[in-house]
Amino acid sequence: GAVVSQHPSWVICKSGTSVKIECRSLDFQATTMFWYRQFPKQSLMLMATSNEGSKATYEQGVEKDKFLINHASLTLSTLTVTSAHPEDSSFYICSAPEKFEQFFGPGTRLTVL
Amino acid sequence: GESVGLHLPTLSVQEGDNSIINCAYSNSASDYFIWYKQESGKGPQFIIDIRSNMDKRQGQRVTVLLNKTVKHLSLQIAATQPGDSAVYFCAETPLYNFNKFYFGSGTKLNVKP
Repeated sequence: GAVVSQHPSWVICKSGTSVKIECRSLDFQATTMFWYRQFPKQSLMLMATSNEGSKATYEQGVEKDKFLINHASLTLSTLTVTSAHPEDSSFYICSAPEKFEQFFGPGTRLTVL
Repeated sequence: GESVGLHLPTLSVQEGDNSIINCAYSNSASDYFIWYKQESGKGPQFIIDIRSNMDKRQGQRVTVLLNKTVKHLSLQIAATQPGDSAVYFCAETPLYNFNKFYFGSGTKLNVKP
């Protein structure tokens, strides 16, 4: 099946700094990608839909100025957590659809100190 | 977003037994349902899917049942193996936005040798 990668796989940062997470579709093009957040022992919560060449659409309750999404090419979407705080510590997962199937990245573990 | 929930947060079974994991969903307009397996620290892996025009679908060792009357979904794993130990999520995608997945709360499956 298709492969989605994420980078970095884990990151530790200080409170107040910004962190960028990349999501790449390795062997297919994706005009749409999705970003999820997962707290420990909880489910995946859809944060936003990343649209190539246009603005992302955010789910209710997700701060668009806090979680900046850029989908600059057909194979790359980035999520930037701005002014990160400890409560932003989570597992961030992206996904991309290809031929009616959704492929998930391996996730990025963010820890904010 | 739509609500997709699970009845049992944790399920322990003996190796070789059959496992049944349940899921309830709230959006009667949902068209497509998927079961995912997530191992610790990894992204979700597709297991099996089912469309709303079906009530049963079988894969290798897995069967998904859909009861639209009571908005209930189940995953049956035959002859459960230690490698099946993981968290299982059901996900729903609405008819009007096929690729937008909403996940249930998850069930942790423990397979005892």
